[in-house]
Amino acid sequence: DTGVSQNPRHKITKRGQNVTFRCDPISEHNRLYWYRQTLGQGPEFLTYFQNEAQLEKSRLLSDRFSAERPKGSFSTLEIQRTEQGDSAMYLCASSFADFSRGPTGELFFGEGSRLTVL
Amino acid sequence: GQQVMQIPQYQHVQEGEDFTTYCNSSTTLSNIQWYKQRPGGHPVFLIQLVKSGEVKKQKRLTFQFGEAKKNSSLHITATQTTDVGTYFCAGRLTMSNDMRFGAGTRLTVKP
Repeated sequence: DTGVSQNPRHKITKRGQNVTFRCDPISEHNRLYWYRQTLGQGPEFLTYFQNEAQLEKSRLLSDRFSAERPKGSFSTLEIQRTEQGDSAMYLCASSFADFSRGPTGELFFGEGSRLTVL
Repeated sequence: GQQVMQIPQYQHVQEGEDFTTYCNSSTTLSNIQWYKQRPGGHPVFLIQLVKSGEVKKQKRLTFQFGEAKKNSSLHITATQTTDVGTYFCAGRLTMSNDMRFGAGTRLTVKP
């Protein structure tokens, strides 16, 4: 399978615990995005990477959230001291940005990691 | 919060009827993309619009990008039960590289 892969698919944790999600993008893609989606809402932008550089981070994002993409391939999203309000589907997407051709390429989403905080 | 607004939130149609969803931004967009998310699934890319006033068609789907690049629409002619899902627009704000999604329009089709 050469699509975007996310794991774990489901995570149930107790409030106050730390959780980490992993995303493996499509191999030739240079951009990687993290979104959060709650029921009945559109994906909410969290952060994005171009290769290994984290270029943008949502101002709404708490300091408890951190993301890395150390070698410009896979990425991890860590949530520290989880709260019940963190319960959501965490979506990763990747794209290939060809700077000579202009705007963002299409986003390829993974199946998501569903977080439930008790 | 969402910077791209989408209406309506829900639309229920009889099979064969047409369907339209609208997307609006308070700021100019560099481009706009449309995605479809089936229940329990993840968003899947449909199309990208870049030019002011651009219109693109995919079979029964027609996509438009406004002249001011602040709004867009998706129109489905003669809906089918396979069209069921939530349709999202996503816009890239100028001076930014991330894609901001609307809240989506959930379409249900009665056979």
